[in-house]
Amino acid sequence: QVQLQESGPGLLKPSETLSLTCTVSGGSLNNYYWSWIRQPPGKGLEWVGYIYYSGSTNYNPSLKSRVTISIDTSKNQFSLKLSSVTAADTAVYYCARRSTWHDVWGQGTLVIVSS
Amino acid sequence: EIVLTQSPDFQSVTPKEKVTITCRASQSIGSSLHWYQQKPDQSPKLIIKHASQSISGVPSRFSGSGSGTDFTLTINSLEAEDAAAYYCHQSNSLPYTFGQGTKLEIK
Repeated sequence: QVQLQESGPGLLKPSETLSLTCTVSGGSLNNYYWSWIRQPPGKGLEWVGYIYYSGSTNYNPSLKSRVTISIDTSKNQFSLKLSSVTAADTAVYYCARRSTWHDVWGQGTLVIVSS
Repeated sequence: EIVLTQSPDFQSVTPKEKVTITCRASQSIGSSLHWYQQKPDQSPKLIIKHASQSISGVPSRFSGSGSGTDFTLTINSLEAEDAAAYYCHQSNSLPYTFGQGTKLEIK
């Protein structure tokens, strides 16, 4: 079955750019939307944005000015970049497949922003 | 942005008890409401889609109902393994949003 795995640095300094990659195995990126969702420690879930396999994107307005999601179908990967991070961006970042609902999730990766 | 408000935030329950969690949307979302279970240090797991549709592999004690703005997740005959946080999630309109979560503790 389809599995997702996040990867990327776990520690950043304020003002740096967060870069994460989600590798999809056991299936294709085609015909799905692929989301990033984050969860600050001990808090709830926040949708960051998604990308369609064709490359079209949509972002949460609260993050839109800092977020870029891209896709590489040849590598079966999609990526998240979040610029100018602050401590408020400390969270577990999940990648997920979106049908109408998010049915497959990665295990998540913790990103800590600290000086 | 559609705001989802869950009730209660926390509930301590005994095994075999029936649990009801509600999710209210700030505007009508039809049936585009989904429920997730998240156990500690795990990613969320889809347990109900489209308000009331069951998910393969999820125990039948989990059920959902509602449409429009008011939704309910019901867990019949609670088991110890159901200790988790539960989140509702709407996919009716962007940006997608989640409820603040309901934490279930098993006594």
